[in-house]
Amino acid sequence: NAGVMQNPRHLVRRRGQEARLRCSPMKGHSHVYWYRQLPEEGLKFMVYLQKENIIDESGMPKERFSAEFPKEGPSILRIQQVVRGDSAAYFCASSPGLTNEKLFFGSGTQLSVL
Amino acid sequence: RKEVEQDPGPFNVPEGATVAFNCTYSNSASQSFFWYRQDCRKEPKLLMSVYSSGNEDGRFTAQLNRASQYISLLIRDSKLSDSATYLCVVNRDSFNKFYFGSGTKLNVKP
Repeated sequence: NAGVMQNPRHLVRRRGQEARLRCSPMKGHSHVYWYRQLPEEGLKFMVYLQKENIIDESGMPKERFSAEFPKEGPSILRIQQVVRGDSAAYFCASSPGLTNEKLFFGSGTQLSVL
Repeated sequence: RKEVEQDPGPFNVPEGATVAFNCTYSNSASQSFFWYRQDCRKEPKLLMSVYSSGNEDGRFTAQLNRASQYISLLIRDSKLSDSATYLCVVNRDSFNKFYFGSGTKLNVKP
């Protein structure tokens, strides 16, 4: 049973480019969460999605950031017109969405903006 | 007030020591509780769930005090490999949202 798969592991972008981060949840999991972690800081919640629905995006910056979790395929976190401050580790986690179930994390995508 | 608060540390302890971390949560409706471990530049990994009656897994003991709204993690006989950041996580199941503390850093020294 494959775990949460994120790709790419490392992504380098120049300022102004777009970054697309992908996350495939564990088999049987329909809930996906995205977190951002800056160096030496804690995990910051960004967005919580179920298939085809955004449940909570209270942690997402209002501009340039968007997320989706289509009926088919992985969840995508999209950052448009990246800036240096977007450089961080982006972790995706999934859960089956049942009571008392845990979160399982992918290995993360390290985004570096030059 | 933050949903989950932890002492950031670092806790610097010698091998073999016993160390305890506490974590407080603000919402009394919280229902599920967990400790995660995060190594530098890696993803968080589940260490253990925390049950109302308290639970133990080898050298690790977790306890929950609902009245005072805090969770604790006790590590006995610390090993060098226990050096990591320990994250307290709380889930309010009705919303299925997971709230993370900022983590407590543990350094176990030889």
